[in-house]
Amino acid sequence: AQTVTQSQPEMSVQEAETVTLSCTYDTSENNYYLFWYKQPPSRQMILVIRQEAYKQQNATENRFSVNFQKAAKSFSLKISDSQLGDTAMYFCAFVNNDMRFGAGTRLTVKP
Amino acid sequence: EAQVTQNPRYLITVTGKKLTVTCSQNMNHEYMSWYRQDPGLGLRQIYYSMNVEVTDKGDVPEGYKVSRKEKRNFPLILESPSPNQTSLYFCASSYQPPTNEQFFGPGTRLTVL
Repeated sequence: AQTVTQSQPEMSVQEAETVTLSCTYDTSENNYYLFWYKQPPSRQMILVIRQEAYKQQNATENRFSVNFQKAAKSFSLKISDSQLGDTAMYFCAFVNNDMRFGAGTRLTVKP
Repeated sequence: EAQVTQNPRYLITVTGKKLTVTCSQNMNHEYMSWYRQDPGLGLRQIYYSMNVEVTDKGDVPEGYKVSRKEKRNFPLILESPSPNQTSLYFCASSYQPPTNEQFFGPGTRLTVL
């Protein structure tokens, strides 16, 4: 069964700086998709970024980018120029037919 | 407005009293799913449905039932709730397959006394 591990329960970063959240996963599948979701205090789940495993190029969305290492089964999220609104729980997720989430990383952006 | 709605948003109930949490989406999505979120465990999938009349167990299906009689609705049923089902529940939907973005409902906070 697929598992997703986020080894950093909590992290903090100063406003305008860069932070990287780590995620590793375990699967025997070759075709799958990886996601980062953000959950602010409102509890709403918001998609941050999506990566297709068959694509070697790392996905980027404005200030958010990933470092996808398929052989190492690693999928880290980099947030550049951190903003106060980035304060949230961040969940890494693996999708094949079902969806598996990591335990989450609580990120606090400090002014 | 494209959305996933859940009702109720908050519910306090007692052990053994049957309850249903409704979920509805207006995006004509084939795939729908239920998750529970618990501190330190992230979101865990309870059940999912690939299309009408097709449902499958996720990671933690014990104590829950679902049905998919219509494409837009996917209710979650707790026949005999127990305190260990106290949790935050999310419904989500997406186009088939679920490798596209999933759209999440606002969540239902359930407390079972």
